[in-house]
Amino acid sequence: GENVEQHPSTLSVQEGDSAVIKCTYSDSASNYFPWYKQELGKRPQLIIDIRSNVGEKKDQRIAVTLNKTAKHFSLHITETQPEDSAVYFCAANRAGSQGNLIFGKGTKLSVKP
Amino acid sequence: SQTIHQWPATLVQPVGSPLSLECTVEGTSNPNLYWYRQAAGRGLQLLFYSVGIGQISSEVPQNLSASRPQDRQFILSSKKLLLSDSGFYLCAWSVRGLGFGGYTFGSGTRLTVV
Repeated sequence: GENVEQHPSTLSVQEGDSAVIKCTYSDSASNYFPWYKQELGKRPQLIIDIRSNVGEKKDQRIAVTLNKTAKHFSLHITETQPEDSAVYFCAANRAGSQGNLIFGKGTKLSVKP
Repeated sequence: SQTIHQWPATLVQPVGSPLSLECTVEGTSNPNLYWYRQAAGRGLQLLFYSVGIGQISSEVPQNLSASRPQDRQFILSSKKLLLSDSGFYLCAWSVRGLGFGGYTFGSGTRLTVV
Protein backbone atom coordinates (compact mmCIF):
# COMPACT_ATOMS: atom_id res chain seq x y z
CA GLY A 1 0.00 0.00 0.00
CA GLU A 2 0.93 3.65 -0.05
CA ASN A 3 3.60 4.71 2.41
CA VAL A 4 5.43 7.81 3.60
CA GLU A 5 8.81 7.34 5.25
CA GLN A 6 10.27 10.11 7.38
CA HIS A 7 13.85 10.58 8.65
CA PRO A 8 15.34 11.16 11.11
CA SER A 9 13.04 10.11 13.95
CA THR A 10 14.88 12.46 16.32
CA LEU A 11 16.98 15.52 15.59
CA SER A 12 18.88 17.73 18.00
CA VAL A 13 20.41 21.04 16.91
CA GLN A 14 21.91 24.11 18.53
CA GLU A 15 19.92 27.30 18.47
CA GLY A 16 20.70 29.19 15.28
CA ASP A 17 21.61 26.09 13.28
CA SER A 18 19.52 24.71 10.43
CA ALA A 19 17.37 21.58 10.62
CA VAL A 20 16.38 19.34 7.73
CA ILE A 21 13.75 16.60 7.79
CA LYS A 22 13.31 14.30 4.81
CA CYS A 23 10.37 12.24 3.58
CA THR A 24 9.82 9.84 0.72
CA TYR A 25 6.49 8.73 -0.67
CA SER A 26 5.47 5.71 -2.69
CA ASP A 27 2.32 6.82 -4.57
CA SER A 28 3.45 8.51 -7.77
CA ALA A 29 -0.02 10.05 -8.09
CA SER A 30 0.38 12.05 -4.87
CA ASN A 31 0.32 15.76 -5.64
CA TYR A 32 0.00 17.50 -2.28
CA PHE A 33 2.51 17.46 0.58
CA PRO A 34 1.77 19.24 3.86
CA TRP A 35 3.91 19.51 6.96
CA TYR A 36 2.53 19.62 10.50
CA LYS A 37 4.07 20.75 13.76
CA GLN A 38 2.85 19.21 17.02
CA GLU A 39 3.93 20.74 20.29
CA LEU A 40 3.83 18.56 23.38
CA GLY A 41 0.25 17.70 24.36
CA LYS A 42 -1.27 19.78 21.59
CA ARG A 43 -2.86 19.21 18.21
CA PRO A 44 -0.84 19.00 14.98
CA GLN A 45 -0.95 22.27 13.07
CA LEU A 46 -0.24 22.87 9.42
CA ILE A 47 2.89 24.96 8.99
CA ILE A 48 3.58 24.76 5.25
CA ASP A 49 2.48 22.75 2.24
CA ILE A 50 3.52 22.29 -1.38
CA ARG A 51 1.78 21.06 -4.49
CA SER A 52 3.42 18.97 -7.15
CA ASN A 53 3.54 21.79 -9.70
CA VAL A 54 6.05 23.65 -7.52
CA GLY A 55 9.60 22.63 -6.61
CA GLU A 56 10.12 24.85 -3.61
CA LYS A 57 8.12 27.05 -1.26
CA LYS A 58 9.35 29.36 1.49
CA ASP A 59 7.67 31.05 4.43
CA GLN A 60 10.11 33.08 6.51
CA ARG A 61 12.45 30.56 8.21
CA ILE A 62 10.66 27.52 6.84
CA ALA A 63 11.02 26.06 3.36
CA VAL A 64 9.89 22.87 1.69
CA THR A 65 11.44 21.31 -1.41
CA LEU A 66 9.94 18.62 -3.63
CA ASN A 67 11.63 16.24 -6.05
CA LYS A 68 8.86 14.47 -7.94
CA THR A 69 11.22 12.27 -9.91
CA ALA A 70 12.80 10.87 -6.78
CA LYS A 71 9.52 11.04 -4.85
CA HIS A 72 10.96 12.84 -1.90
CA PHE A 73 10.35 16.15 -0.16
CA SER A 74 12.09 17.93 2.67
CA LEU A 75 11.45 20.53 5.35
CA HIS A 76 14.16 23.07 6.03
CA ILE A 77 14.15 25.27 9.12
CA THR A 78 16.83 27.95 9.27
CA GLU A 79 18.02 29.93 12.29
CA THR A 80 16.31 27.50 14.63
CA GLN A 81 14.90 28.76 17.92
CA PRO A 82 13.92 26.87 21.10
CA GLU A 83 10.23 27.35 20.21
CA ASP A 84 10.82 25.28 17.07
CA SER A 85 11.16 22.25 19.36
CA ALA A 86 8.26 19.93 18.54
CA VAL A 87 7.35 16.82 16.59
CA TYR A 88 7.08 17.41 12.86
CA PHE A 89 5.00 15.22 10.55
CA CYS A 90 5.17 15.10 6.78
CA ALA A 91 2.27 13.80 4.73
CA ALA A 92 1.27 13.02 1.17
CA ASN A 93 -2.21 12.81 -0.25
CA ARG A 94 -3.59 9.52 -1.44
CA ALA A 95 -4.76 10.45 -4.91
CA GLY A 96 -8.27 9.35 -5.72
CA SER A 97 -9.28 8.90 -2.10
CA GLN A 98 -11.01 12.19 -1.46
CA GLY A 99 -7.69 13.68 -0.48
CA ASN A 100 -6.89 11.42 2.45
CA LEU A 101 -3.42 12.05 3.80
CA ILE A 102 -0.79 9.47 4.61
CA PHE A 103 1.44 10.67 7.46
CA GLY A 104 5.07 9.94 8.18
CA LYS A 105 5.93 8.70 11.65
CA GLY A 106 7.23 12.03 12.83
CA THR A 107 10.52 13.69 13.74
CA LYS A 108 11.13 14.98 17.24
CA LEU A 109 13.16 18.15 16.89
CA SER A 110 14.98 19.54 19.91
CA VAL A 111 16.62 22.97 19.67
CA LYS A 112 19.13 23.56 22.44
CA PRO A 113 19.67 27.14 23.60
CA SER B 1 -14.29 31.03 9.78
CA GLN B 2 -14.25 27.31 10.33
CA THR B 3 -13.79 25.81 13.77
CA ILE B 4 -13.65 22.27 15.04
CA HIS B 5 -14.72 21.27 18.52
CA GLN B 6 -13.78 18.04 20.22
CA TRP B 7 -14.69 16.87 23.70
CA PRO B 8 -13.96 15.87 26.34
CA ALA B 9 -10.35 16.99 26.62
CA THR B 10 -9.40 14.21 29.02
CA LEU B 11 -11.10 11.00 30.03
CA VAL B 12 -10.25 8.18 32.42
CA GLN B 13 -12.35 5.09 31.90
CA PRO B 14 -12.25 1.58 33.38
CA VAL B 15 -11.66 -1.44 31.20
CA GLY B 16 -14.92 -2.77 29.79
CA SER B 17 -16.76 0.54 29.99
CA PRO B 18 -18.29 2.23 26.93
CA LEU B 19 -16.85 5.24 25.13
CA SER B 20 -18.28 8.14 23.21
CA LEU B 21 -16.16 10.98 21.84
CA GLU B 22 -17.77 13.74 19.85
CA CYS B 23 -16.47 16.11 17.23
CA THR B 24 -18.32 18.93 15.50
CA VAL B 25 -17.28 21.34 12.79
CA GLU B 26 -18.66 24.83 12.28
CA GLY B 27 -18.46 27.22 9.37
CA THR B 28 -18.30 24.72 6.54
CA SER B 29 -20.51 22.19 4.78
CA ASN B 30 -19.89 18.68 3.51
CA PRO B 31 -16.49 18.28 5.13
CA ASN B 32 -14.42 15.12 5.11
CA LEU B 33 -14.09 14.01 8.73
CA TYR B 34 -11.40 11.85 10.32
CA TRP B 35 -10.58 10.13 13.60
CA TYR B 36 -6.91 9.54 14.41
CA ARG B 37 -5.27 7.92 17.39
CA GLN B 38 -1.80 8.74 18.65
CA ALA B 39 -0.06 6.53 21.18
CA ALA B 40 2.46 8.23 23.47
CA GLY B 41 5.46 9.42 21.46
CA ARG B 42 4.15 7.77 18.31
CA GLY B 43 2.72 8.73 14.95
CA LEU B 44 -0.81 9.38 13.74
CA GLN B 45 -2.90 6.28 13.09
CA LEU B 46 -5.99 6.82 10.94
CA LEU B 47 -8.95 5.03 12.49
CA PHE B 48 -11.96 6.18 10.46
CA TYR B 49 -12.87 8.69 7.82
CA SER B 50 -16.17 9.87 6.44
CA VAL B 51 -17.09 11.66 3.23
CA GLY B 52 -20.77 12.10 4.09
CA ILE B 53 -23.62 11.38 6.47
CA GLY B 54 -23.74 7.68 7.29
CA GLN B 55 -20.62 6.97 5.19
CA ILE B 56 -17.82 5.54 7.31
CA SER B 57 -14.60 3.92 6.16
CA SER B 58 -12.49 1.98 8.61
CA GLU B 59 -8.74 1.82 8.15
CA VAL B 60 -7.87 -0.80 10.74
CA PRO B 61 -9.85 -3.49 12.53
CA GLN B 62 -10.28 -2.58 16.16
CA ASN B 63 -12.50 -2.29 19.15
CA LEU B 64 -13.92 1.02 18.01
CA SER B 65 -16.67 2.26 15.72
CA ALA B 66 -17.60 5.62 14.24
CA SER B 67 -20.81 7.28 13.17
CA ARG B 68 -21.77 10.46 11.35
CA PRO B 69 -25.38 11.22 12.21
CA GLN B 70 -25.21 14.80 10.89
CA ASP B 71 -23.13 16.51 8.24
CA ARG B 72 -20.79 18.19 10.71
CA GLN B 73 -20.84 15.68 13.57
CA PHE B 74 -18.53 12.73 13.94
CA ILE B 75 -18.68 10.32 16.86
CA LEU B 76 -16.18 7.71 17.98
CA SER B 77 -17.55 4.90 20.13
CA SER B 78 -16.72 1.68 21.84
CA LYS B 79 -18.96 -0.79 23.64
CA LYS B 80 -16.17 -2.16 25.85
CA LEU B 81 -12.83 -0.40 26.23
CA LEU B 82 -9.54 -2.27 26.32
CA LEU B 83 -6.31 -1.13 27.95
CA SER B 84 -4.82 -0.83 24.47
CA ASP B 85 -7.42 1.81 23.58
CA SER B 86 -5.54 4.37 25.68
CA GLY B 87 -4.10 7.22 23.65
CA PHE B 88 -4.60 10.70 22.28
CA TYR B 89 -7.60 10.83 19.95
CA LEU B 90 -7.76 13.53 17.33
CA CYS B 91 -10.64 14.53 15.11
CA ALA B 92 -9.88 16.39 11.89
CA TRP B 93 -11.70 17.86 8.91
CA SER B 94 -10.79 18.78 5.37
CA VAL B 95 -12.56 20.20 2.35
CA ARG B 96 -14.33 17.37 0.55
CA GLY B 97 -13.13 16.24 -2.82
CA LEU B 98 -10.44 18.87 -3.17
CA GLY B 99 -7.65 16.33 -3.32
CA PHE B 100 -5.38 18.79 -1.56
CA GLY B 101 -5.75 21.16 1.31
CA GLY B 102 -4.60 20.39 4.77
CA TYR B 103 -6.41 18.84 7.64
CA THR B 104 -7.49 20.95 10.59
CA PHE B 105 -7.29 19.01 13.81
CA GLY B 106 -9.38 19.33 16.92
CA SER B 107 -7.69 19.85 20.26
CA GLY B 108 -7.78 16.14 21.05
CA THR B 109 -9.02 13.84 23.79
CA ARG B 110 -6.52 12.12 26.03
CA LEU B 111 -8.06 8.77 26.96
CA THR B 112 -6.63 6.62 29.72
CA VAL B 113 -8.15 3.20 30.19
CA VAL B 114 -7.46 1.81 33.67
